[in-house]
Amino acid sequence: DTAVSQTPKYLVTQMGNDKSIKCEQNLGHDTMYWYKQDSKKFLKIMFSYNNKELIINETVPNRFSPKSPDKAHLNLHINSLELGDSAVYFCASSQEYRTPSFFGPGTRLTVL
Amino acid sequence: LAKTTQPISMDSYEGQEVNITCSHNNIATNDYITWYQQFPSQGPRFIIQGYKTKVTNEVASLFIPADRKSSTLSLPRVSLSDTAVYYCLVGDLTSGNTPLVFGKGTRLSVIA
Repeated sequence: DTAVSQTPKYLVTQMGNDKSIKCEQNLGHDTMYWYKQDSKKFLKIMFSYNNKELIINETVPNRFSPKSPDKAHLNLHINSLELGDSAVYFCASSQEYRTPSFFGPGTRLTVL
Repeated sequence: LAKTTQPISMDSYEGQEVNITCSHNNIATNDYITWYQQFPSQGPRFIIQGYKTKVTNEVASLFIPADRKSSTLSLPRVSLSDTAVYYCLVGDLTSGNTPLVFGKGTRLSVIA
């Protein structure tokens, strides 16, 4: 069974579009995260969601909005996509806050 | 947040023990040290976490000297499949809201 799954794996879209990436974890963890890995391979935390409390990284543009319908899901919605949003986005989860235990396979977003 | 410094890259032959050292001179009293491994086109994988002295699991060992200003990840008898980027993270897991921050990592290449 996949611990943390993401869909889609690849996403190619035009500038200005709105898109969503879905994440699901079947581990019963209380905490979920979204990370962005850019072309230089730097992994940066975007959001963490711990026991219904959303912790936002202040450097993330408000075009990005996480949505958690329940504890097992943390989706990422992106409005008005820009070229600089092209990256690989990783979802992760953990039982203990601040130490991601399992990462998803990533979603490679390409904005044209 | 304590800043970490790791070698950019390392090479090793199969079967050798590999030690990757991470410097964190301004580590705080409540900071823990966590290591992750990332294979190409995959999300990071949690390897090991420690606070002081030595921690060992089925994958690696983590050595932390008494002053805690550095730590060493030890991989016994590496194989080609251990080729990956290894990240050292330092952060307070007991208070505050900030998840662990990834640095640039060390790219380990295992050669046959």
